[in-house]
Amino acid sequence: EDKVVQSPLSLVVHEGDTVTLNCSYEVTNFRSLLWYKQEKKAPTFLFMLTSSGIEKKSGRLSSILDKKELFSILNITATQTGDSAVYLCAALGNYGQNFVFGPGTRLSALP
Amino acid sequence: GAGVSQSPRYKVTKRGQDVTLRCDPISSHATLYWYQQALGQGPEFLTYFNYEAQPDKSGLPSDRFSAERPEGSISTLTIQRTEQRDSAMYRCASSLSDSYEQYFGPGTRLTVT
Repeated sequence: EDKVVQSPLSLVVHEGDTVTLNCSYEVTNFRSLLWYKQEKKAPTFLFMLTSSGIEKKSGRLSSILDKKELFSILNITATQTGDSAVYLCAALGNYGQNFVFGPGTRLSALP
Repeated sequence: GAGVSQSPRYKVTKRGQDVTLRCDPISSHATLYWYQQALGQGPEFLTYFNYEAQPDKSGLPSDRFSAERPEGSISTLTIQRTEQRDSAMYRCASSLSDSYEQYFGPGTRLTVT
């Protein structure tokens, strides 16, 4: 059965800290991994990763995929209180468009 | 439209009643997804559409759940004979046909009493 595991499930940091969120996956015929940020409403897209070792970067956020070890990390540098959210990762295998989401990591960034 | 919209935003229904949830995707998006999200969990795939075709229903939990997208735009998710375990947030998302980047709607929070 396809599954995605995220760790930690929750994390409390202070502004300015650097955080690393982990996502490991087991999906049949893996194609892509996506990261989303979910605040109070809908998840919003952050990154899509398809190739190993190529870092995607957007401001203070960056992410990388390791297809050999079947995991991805999301890094946030110099965290701000506005980074507080649940961060979801989702893996897509070879079965249609069936995205498998992890449970999310709840990040709380305190002032 | 500017984004994905869903209605109603909240629905409380009695066990045994039927409910229909609506999703209005971004107008240029061919692909539409339905997810169920329990509190504290990630979204769980239910089904998806490419225009009006529904290639994958594998995530629908039982035959009480059905979805339609008859004209390839607005979609509805119907739950018949609701049960308490159906209580959850139901999210719709849409994407361009050649993209995996999904845009999520605000969700419908369903409570079955």
